[in-house]
Amino acid sequence: DIVMTQSPDSLAVSLGERATINCKSSQSVLSSSGNRNSLAWYQQKPGRPPKVLINWASTRESGVPDRFSGSGSGTDFTLTISSLQAEDVATYYCQQYYSIPLTFGGGTKVEIK
Amino acid sequence: EVQLLESGGGLVQPGGSLRLSCAASGFTFSSYAMTWVRQAPGKGLEWVSVISRTGGTTYYADSVKGRFTISRDNSKNTLYLQMNSLRAEDTAAYYCAKDSPYCTNDNCFSWVDYWGQGTLVAVSS
Repeated sequence: DIVMTQSPDSLAVSLGERATINCKSSQSVLSSSGNRNSLAWYQQKPGRPPKVLINWASTRESGVPDRFSGSGSGTDFTLTISSLQAEDVATYYCQQYYSIPLTFGGGTKVEIK
Repeated sequence: EVQLLESGGGLVQPGGSLRLSCAASGFTFSSYAMTWVRQAPGKGLEWVSVISRTGGTTYYADSVKGRFTISRDNSKNTLYLQMNSLRAEDTAAYYCAKDSPYCTNDNCFSWVDYWGQGTLVAVSS
């Protein structure tokens, strides 16, 4: 199984400042055929289901604000919120969809400092 | 508008069974793989199972393999999760989710692009 490890577990960032969340996979999730990384990022606000933000490690889903960006390749990935807004308070999860079982990271809780 | 409405959750004793249902609307149900994801109280997300568009291919997490069965009825636009031999550690909110349009065959995996609101399953004596 591919183990997804996120860091930090939580972080507090001032409004308008940058938030950076890391995700590391125990093996590469880079597809040899398509040269794409099978990695998604989700946002979950309290009491709500998750919402997908990013697929293929760096492709923003339709309607997702451009302050959210994904980067990385192979085993190391990053979700960046360039200018934190109050509505971004949530827990963020990475997920690999390279192989079964599909696995999630443990989550990173983002709060306002 | 994509809608996924789960039902069937509740309180069950250890060793008991439940069947969750997920009524889908707003998209062509038979064209997409479907997934169940669960979340224990205060914990993170855990992938449970996925079923292909036709229902011919299914996969399970090791934690539920042999106890849970995913199925679908494309004529009723409904996804199911039959849960047997339930344990305390199965206590969670269970989310029905639609897979992205990326995959066009059964041996392909993708992210989830829509989620239901979840149904709570509590396993306790």
